[in-house]
Amino acid sequence: DVKVTQSSRYLVKRTGEKVFLECVQDMDHENMFWYRQDPGLGLRLIYFSYDVKMKEKGDIPEGYSVSREKKERFSLILESASTNQTSMYLCASRGDRVPPYNEQFFGPGTRLTVL
Amino acid sequence: GQQVMQIPQYQHVQEGEDFTTYCNSSTTLSNIQWYKQRPGGHPVFLIQLVKSGEVKKQKRLTFQFGEAKKNSSLHITATQTTDVGTYFCAGRGNTGKLIFGQGTTLQVKP
Repeated sequence: DVKVTQSSRYLVKRTGEKVFLECVQDMDHENMFWYRQDPGLGLRLIYFSYDVKMKEKGDIPEGYSVSREKKERFSLILESASTNQTSMYLCASRGDRVPPYNEQFFGPGTRLTVL
Repeated sequence: GQQVMQIPQYQHVQEGEDFTTYCNSSTTLSNIQWYKQRPGGHPVFLIQLVKSGEVKKQKRLTFQFGEAKKNSSLHITATQTTDVGTYFCAGRGNTGKLIFGQGTTLQVKP
C-alpha cells in the first residue's frame, strides 16, 4: 500500500512565524503535490513537483514556497504565516509507471491554525 | 483559466434514496477522476474516466463521462450510511493539471 505521511495532524502557529509542513511518500513516486482545502472551495493546488529539485506553481502559490531535495520528501514552507493561511493542508503523490498512472494518493492532512 | 464546477454543495437523503452529484468543466477534459473523503479523512481515489460517453459501475455507484468530455456525474443507488462523506470530481485539462471541483457533501439519515 502506498503511504503518504505528513509531519503533523494539527499545528498552531502565530502570525509572522515561519512554518514547515513535511510530506513523505514511500512508493518512489515522481510527482508530489500540496493542496489546501477550505469549505466550499474544494482542493486548490499550491505547488507541485515532477522531480527532485523541480517545482512548479499551482493555482495559489502566493505566500508559500516548497522544497524537494529528495524524491520521497516534499516540504511546504510558509515564510511568514498569516491568519488567512489557516486551513487544512493535504499532500499527495502520483506515480508515472504504475497504472492507473493518474491516481493521486493523499496524506492524512495537517490542520494549521494561525493565530 | 480552467474551472470545474460541482453541484450540489450539500445533499441530505434518507437511507435507501438515490443520490447524484454533477460536475461541469469550462473546457474539454482529457480525463476525469472521482474521489471520496470520509468525515475526518483524506480524499481517496474512486475511479478515472477517459473516453467520451464512458459509463463505469462500482457496485451501487455509477460514473458517467459526457459525450463532449466536459461534464460528469456520480450516481449512488439506494444510499447507505457508509456512503456519508464528500465526493470530489477532478478534471484534467490541456494544462495537464488536475482541477478539483468544490465537492458535494452527502449526509444519509438512517
